[in-house]
Amino acid sequence: DGGITQSPKYLFRKEGQNVTLSCEQNLNHDAMYWYRQDPGQGLRLIYYSQIVNDFQKGDIAEGYSVSREKKESFPLTVTSAQKNPTAFYLCASTLTSGRRNEQFFGPGTRLTVL
Amino acid sequence: AQSVTQLDSQVPVFEEAPVELRCNYSSSVSVYLFWYVQYPNQGLQLLLKYLSGSTLVKGINGFEAEFNKSQTSFHLRKPSVHISDTAEYFCAVSAMDSNYQLIWGAGTKLIIKP
Repeated sequence: DGGITQSPKYLFRKEGQNVTLSCEQNLNHDAMYWYRQDPGQGLRLIYYSQIVNDFQKGDIAEGYSVSREKKESFPLTVTSAQKNPTAFYLCASTLTSGRRNEQFFGPGTRLTVL
Repeated sequence: AQSVTQLDSQVPVFEEAPVELRCNYSSSVSVYLFWYVQYPNQGLQLLLKYLSGSTLVKGINGFEAEFNKSQTSFHLRKPSVHISDTAEYFCAVSAMDSNYQLIWGAGTKLIIKP
């Protein structure tokens, strides 16, 4: 079955540490996205990538970094510069053949700073 | 620029009663409209989408939504809810000039009372 996988499901980080969240898709989608979700705030876009080796900042990119070395993979690093990283992180992907296409989501990673 | 407003943060309703979750959007260009559902600690799943044609759109799990261009609304309805419909529901807009990004509402929690 095609889909998006995110790992780990739960992640605990000490203050000052960088952590990397994994996102892999086998849907052959071109575009991939990272969102942060906090209670009562909906989804906020962190980074997105439309093609390999290219990505753009979203609305809240500060303290985060990404790479897109392979079409199927879009890992997100939460750096120590992110002052309040505790949140639920969602990865999504979509075809870029048109804006009519919906985004498909992974199951999410819940990050907690200890 | 586009924006999406979900007018209710929570909607409590008795089991087997009808429900309407409200979504209004603002855009100066034509849009595509989406409703997603998120069950606790999971990713988002597409319920339905409006691309063109009939303004009444039917989705999964017995949900439907009606696109009203004059009122810039896309309200979600279900004639009889079940306990399994307990979830958070998100409205999203993709505009013709959006570069494949979705603009998200803040979400509405549907609370089913037995």
